[in-house]
Amino acid sequence: QSVLTQPPSVSGAPGQRVTISCTGSSSNIGAAYDVHWYQQLPGTAPKLLIYASSNRPSGVPDRFSGSKSGTSASLAITGLQAEDEADYYCQSYDSSLSGSVFGGGTKLTVL
Amino acid sequence: QVQLQQSGPGLVKPSQTLSLTCAISGDSVSSNSAAWNWIRQSPSRGLEWLGRTYYRSKWYNDYAVSVKSRITINPDTSKNQFSLLMKSVTPEDTAVYYCARASEGLDDAFDIWGQGTMVTVSS
Repeated sequence: QSVLTQPPSVSGAPGQRVTISCTGSSSNIGAAYDVHWYQQLPGTAPKLLIYASSNRPSGVPDRFSGSKSGTSASLAITGLQAEDEADYYCQSYDSSLSGSVFGGGTKLTVL
Repeated sequence: QVQLQQSGPGLVKPSQTLSLTCAISGDSVSSNSAAWNWIRQSPSRGLEWLGRTYYRSKWYNDYAVSVKSRITINPDTSKNQFSLLMKSVTPEDTAVYYCARASEGLDDAFDIWGQGTMVTVSS
């Protein structure tokens, strides 16, 4: 059972918009700790997609965006493309555990 | 650019010690703006942060509560690398192990990852 809760799967057609939620608690996201998002393609290491809730590292398309409110965060992907099919993970810091925590991951299927 | 290269055995016997190394190129293990982490991934436990080492005028280590009694993360400044030692392993420690950099400039996000090492605990 992951500390951060994500839906196991989401799907969308090419060109559509999808969102992935990440729900935490008062000891992590709700305590104003940053939320980061990662994309993991099969057989590869996770890749940083969004940092500090809404910032994109250089090279990440602006089709990817993030937001945070209260004890939750969201990743939005617009203009879905076939290459977006991957697993997505949120990550934050938890003060009760004194360490980084991850969500269970969401598998995005592009129909 | 910054790269992390992992090395270490892929098979460890139960009750023995798992040992992995992460060599850093393009950055320094003694950097004042980075922390060097170990993270593992398994189907049953998902992504799990294990711990980190970092230098801020002196060396610090933080470990996940779940493995704190069994792991040590050590920096090696002479080789610009850091290592993971996990003792008394069981089959539940079977996972892909990653080293990763957390960058202060990116609010401690894990921006650089090693290639991953599949470690199987089995006799």
